[in-house]
Amino acid sequence: QVQLQESGPGLVKPSETLSLTCAVSGYSISSGYYWGWIRQPPGKGLEWIGSIYHSGSTYYNPSLKSRVTISVDTSKNQFSLKLSSVTAADTAVYYCARVGLKNAFDIWGQGTMVTVSS
Amino acid sequence: EIVLTQSPGTLSLSPGERATLSCRASQSVSSSYLAWYQQKPGQAPRLLIYGASSRATGIPDRFSGSGSGTDFTLTISRLEPEDFAVYYCQQYGSSPRVTFGQGTKLEIK
Repeated sequence: QVQLQESGPGLVKPSETLSLTCAVSGYSISSGYYWGWIRQPPGKGLEWIGSIYHSGSTYYNPSLKSRVTISVDTSKNQFSLKLSSVTAADTAVYYCARVGLKNAFDIWGQGTMVTVSS
Repeated sequence: EIVLTQSPGTLSLSPGERATLSCRASQSVSSSYLAWYQQKPGQAPRLLIYGASSRATGIPDRFSGSGSGTDFTLTISRLEPEDFAVYYCQQYGSSPRVTFGQGTKLEIK
């Protein structure tokens, strides 16, 4: 079955760039679907960051757009998130997910905690 | 920007009871693009309902979704112990393309 797995540093310094990768198994990204990133600060709700198609077409949350880049590497069957100029407010669990029917996130990774601290 | 407001913030019920969770949008949402998720502590969200009323794969039929326009409802007909969790609604549409509600915590009374 389709599985997603996030990876990346768990600790990032303020003003630096957060970089995460989502490896997809059980499905070829090149075959279709959009893929997305969602985050959840400790004890808070879900915030959509952005989504990407296998062709590289992207759409981002306007509140984060100036700092976000999402890219896809079909040869490695993975997609990535870069968030620049991070602050403590960017501390969160970061999830990757597949955008399925009716633009609902139908398959999620387990999430990875990223803390922004010096 | 479409804002989703979920109510109540916390719902206290007993196993076997019926749960009704509300999601109200600040602007009309296409019924095709309203989803519901369940999240348990330490776990990723799980898709329950998409398209306002379609159950996702493997979701028990005690979960049902309804609504249109600006008012949507998730109903759990008979609560099981494993249903106590936080529930989020989510819409896809105008900018920002995707928004989530703030969540409803369903706790055991």
